[in-house]
Amino acid sequence: KAGVTQTPRYLIKTRGQQVTLSCSPISGHRSVSWYQQTPGQGLQFLFEYFSETQRNKGNFPGRFSGRQFSNSRSEMNVSTLELGDSALYLCASSLDRGLAGESTDTQYFGPGTRLTVL
Amino acid sequence: GENVEQHPSTLSVQEGDSAVIKCTYSDSASNYFPWYKQELGKRPQLIIDIRSNVGEKKDQRIAVTLNKTAKHFSLHITETQPEDSAVYFCAVEGPSGAGSYQLTFGKGTKLSVIP
Repeated sequence: KAGVTQTPRYLIKTRGQQVTLSCSPISGHRSVSWYQQTPGQGLQFLFEYFSETQRNKGNFPGRFSGRQFSNSRSEMNVSTLELGDSALYLCASSLDRGLAGESTDTQYFGPGTRLTVL
Repeated sequence: GENVEQHPSTLSVQEGDSAVIKCTYSDSASNYFPWYKQELGKRPQLIIDIRSNVGEKKDQRIAVTLNKTAKHFSLHITETQPEDSAVYFCAVEGPSGAGSYQLTFGKGTKLSVIP
């Protein structure tokens, strides 16, 4: 099976602009989670989508949003970019999470999108 | 929410020696504890994981131990090799309060194996 893919791999934007990142999960995986990785804060959870619904959300401002399509592909959007949004954005997919009161599968990460805000 | 502490932040060992990385967590309801390895410029890759009903798990040179009472777990790498050099992240999965589960990561340990 092909792994998790993310596009674009690199992106340069200026403050105030908005950006959309895309994630294609492993075939058959229905859960997609997004993370922000920075040297200072490490890996921080943004949100998780399952069956086109946001099931979980981390502590990020409303400028960060996402969605999931019927084929499980997911996008995240950041509006009104700030310098501090420069980071590696990783998505991870799994078969499902949280069924029957227990996580059911491992998360597999994509290569990430390196966003630089100037 | 869950709080995960990882120590040390950097670790240097001689090739062939063992390396140990420790993580503590706060939510006693957490039940899944994976470890990821991230080489420079690459994606995090799962190397081993353990669930709350198991105390220890081993895979060749890598082992993870879990102490649920004390709420800590550790990664053990024996006979280290230069290719083990990377950043290692522990993670803890527990209920998010929204009927789902959330993975919280430690800040990472940069392991350097000196030939």
